[in-house]
Amino acid sequence: QVKLQQSGAELVKPGASVKLSCKTSGYTFSTSYMSWFKQIPGQSIEWIGMIYAGDGGTGYNQKFKGKATLTVDTSSSTAYMDLSSLTTEDSAVYFCAREDYNNYYFDYWGQGVMVTVSS
Amino acid sequence: DIVMTQGALPNPVPSGESASITCQSSKSLLYSDGKTYLNWYLQRPGQSPQLLIYWMSTRASGVSDRFSGSGSGTDFTLKISRVEAEDVGVYYCQQFLEFPYTFGAGTKLELK
Repeated sequence: QVKLQQSGAELVKPGASVKLSCKTSGYTFSTSYMSWFKQIPGQSIEWIGMIYAGDGGTGYNQKFKGKATLTVDTSSSTAYMDLSSLTTEDSAVYFCAREDYNNYYFDYWGQGVMVTVSS
Repeated sequence: DIVMTQGALPNPVPSGESASITCQSSKSLLYSDGKTYLNWYLQRPGQSPQLLIYWMSTRASGVSDRFSGSGSGTDFTLKISRVEAEDVGVYYCQQFLEFPYTFGAGTKLELK
């Protein structure tokens, strides 16, 4: 069955960077699309961007350009998101989700990872 | 960016009753291929979102037929028949027409 397993919670200092992972199994990762999302607890969901594992092509929400960088490692079927120059406003839960680009929806989601930015 | 505006529910909803959640988009989500790129998700407390409806009215695999979606190009409704305890959570509409993909603010369903 399809699984997306995200890395554990992070506590980071302001100004630092963090790299989140999303390890997949149960489907052909190398020809799939992955999106990342931000959700501040109690608030709605924001789409950060997407990456096509086939060639590493990306598309970003303008709001997160310069903040998030998406990459993949097809040898381990893992997607990554780097978040840089962290501030307290980046404290949130971050999700990865597989994008069904034929039917245009997000069908499988990771469990989410809490990133807390605090000194 | 396409703005998604969701309505509120008159919470709490009595168990066994129906509930309808509205969503409005700032741009028509009807594409030239005849499909309307509007999805509905449910996020139960402490969980990740799960897909309920895609293309405005198509139920996702494994989703109860108590859930139905309808609407036009800009106005949409998710109807939940015979509300049950497992339906509690926050419902989001989301557009898949263009970047950036955007979500509504969410509509909370509480059970009486």
